[in-house]
Amino acid sequence: EPEVTQTPSHQVTQMGQEVILRCVPISNHLYFYWYRQILGQKVEFLVSFYNNEISEKSEIFDDQFSVERPDGSNFTLKIRSTKLEDSAMYFCASTLAGGTYNEQFFGPGTRLTVL
Amino acid sequence: KNQVEQSPQSLIILEGKNCTLQCNYTVSPFSNLRWYKQDTGRGPVSLTIMTFSENTKSNGRYTATLDADTKQSSLHITASQLSDSASYICVVSALGYTNAGKSTFGDGTTLTVKP
Repeated sequence: EPEVTQTPSHQVTQMGQEVILRCVPISNHLYFYWYRQILGQKVEFLVSFYNNEISEKSEIFDDQFSVERPDGSNFTLKIRSTKLEDSAMYFCASTLAGGTYNEQFFGPGTRLTVL
Repeated sequence: KNQVEQSPQSLIILEGKNCTLQCNYTVSPFSNLRWYKQDTGRGPVSLTIMTFSENTKSNGRYTATLDADTKQSSLHITASQLSDSASYICVVSALGYTNAGKSTFGDGTTLTVKP
């Protein structure tokens, strides 16, 4: 069964460093998403991406964040200068299309720890 | 501000019993409501997706209801199994470019099924 994969599973970094979280969406999916979940809190939407452009983004997704689809398979989230409060689980997701009934598939997440 | 409130926060039931989880939302303009199951340390898995015109939708032992007038939804689990132990998250999306974007997540209900 096709699945969304994410690497690494756990990333530890020093405050101020740049990190890149990687995701491989399901191969024929066209819409991609990033979410984060701070420990003990609810999942929060960050950004959606289609046709090599950001479709929507939340208030959390400020200039420190960027997304990219550098090739035909990877979808990355970059945090330029990490802060302590960026420590969270980051989930990637993908859908075949943008319509309502397109099931959204989530990856297993990357746990980011900023020291 | 868009909000999704879930109740109860946690629930313990015996294997084989039924249970109902609640979700109230204030998301506008409403696009769709999704229920997800999230195992600890894993990404959410889609259970049901409903638009405003749908009152009920089933997926195996899971049945979701939606009252768009009162902005309430419920998820009913029948004949619970030990593997149903997880967090159940209600997610409401506002109309946007992608119908899974601009999502507001609830805090989830933690369900524990005991033998």
